[in-house]
Amino acid sequence: QSALTQPASVSGSPGQSITISCTGTSSDVGGYNYVSWYQQHPGKAPKLMIYDVNNRPSGVSNRFSGSKSGNTASLTISGLQAEDEADYYCSSYTNSSTRAVFGTGTKVTVL
Amino acid sequence: QVQLVESGGGLVKPGGSLRLSCAASGFTFSDYYMSWIRQAPGKGLEWHSYISSRGRTLYYADSVKGRFTISRDNAKNSLYLQMNSLRAEDTAVYYCARMKMATMHYWGQGTLVTVSS
Repeated sequence: QSALTQPASVSGSPGQSITISCTGTSSDVGGYNYVSWYQQHPGKAPKLMIYDVNNRPSGVSNRFSGSKSGNTASLTISGLQAEDEADYYCSSYTNSSTRAVFGTGTKVTVL
Repeated sequence: QVQLVESGGGLVKPGGSLRLSCAASGFTFSDYYMSWIRQAPGKGLEWHSYISSRGRTLYYADSVKGRFTISRDNAKNSLYLQMNSLRAEDTAVYYCARMKMATMHYWGQGTLVTVSS
């Protein structure tokens, strides 16, 4: 099972919106509405930000939103803030025996 | 609140063994699938093992199959990872996580495993 494809880096200025893509196949992202997004600050554990494509866990800012079109999922961060600077990973359910696959990760930089 | 606390990491020589533990609290442990995910230094996340709520279904990635064993004790609210025949490429931070439909809703803080002579 290959990792889902994400851009290595995305950057934006405070207050701007950015979008991170996550591309898979019809066996994972395209076939199921079980795409999740995780935020990871340096030296910290990942934190769930979005699940089931577009649902936010309690306590996560509504500046974070998710969507999906075909085999590509997206995470949008609006009103970018300094604290959003982190690594972001997508994951998806897959019909292979692995059950879940992570993305390659995207480093978000706030300029 | 949900808490997951890993322990058992450390420095081990190539070919050696280590057993990681994950103590769970704040939820009904026996209701959930659990996973181990690792992250090598400077690298991305690798999901390599999971176990069903009652321990009847296990999964291992090819990278650890035959060397790692995941298990759980629902009476003790604990998840385990027995790691044998360790290699340098197993060096990573190991996280336990509570999962549902391939989503890791809660993560522990991680424990570092270093394989080096």
